Amino acid sequence: QKEVEQNSGPLSVPEGAIASLNCTYSDRGSQSFFWYRQYSGKSPELIMSIYSNGDKEDGRFTAQLNKASQYVSLLIRDSQPSDSATYLCAVINSNYKLTFGKGTLLTMNP
Amino acid sequence: DAGITQSPRHKVTETGTPVTLRCHQTENHRYMYWYRQDPGHGLRLIHYSYGVKDTDKGEVSDGYSVSRSKTEDFLLTLESATSSQTSVYFCAIAAGTGLVAYGYTFGSGTRLTVV
Repeated sequence: QKEVEQNSGPLSVPEGAIASLNCTYSDRGSQSFFWYRQYSGKSPELIMSIYSNGDKEDGRFTAQLNKASQYVSLLIRDSQPSDSATYLCAVINSNYKLTFGKGTLLTMNP
Repeated sequence: DAGITQSPRHKVTETGTPVTLRCHQTENHRYMYWYRQDPGHGLRLIHYSYGVKDTDKGEVSDGYSVSRSKTEDFLLTLESATSSQTSVYFCAIAAGTGLVAYGYTFGSGTRLTVV
């Protein structure tokens, strides 16, 4: 079983809609959870971090964590063309290593 | 990217030659990492360092070695490059204490092609 799993997509959403990105992880001892955004040909950029169960909001982004279900999600409200990118879920596991999922490609429908 | 520089940005090399990639930081962060990114595999950890001369292997370390003689520099060496090492290589830095690192920041990447 992969340590961090994401749907590879592409996920296509209409502009202005809510994009929902999901991630599951296998190590129950994982402590910290991150969402990175990566534009084509660029390096990953940290957009959200979450450490405890519940929701964390930052502007149009909301991260949700459910440790019992080993599930992390990212909601993007009012999706814009600039949100088109690959979104990487990353987890610091019980061995203190940052492990990435393969990423979900998000595209906008005009 | 602020505080972290990778060099070179692009390199083409021949099979069997040694190659060294450099990561330089100005943040004085304790942790430094080398990842490779390939289609279908995502980002995979090669080696990391938790201090000067303190390094450890990641999940895809075969064929790679690293050195960290100064806090600011972390070198990745391909001893004898193979075509399977054609990839984009990212360096990352993180602050932290003990075994806990946080605030990972990535460099701009090095695109390496082995022909």
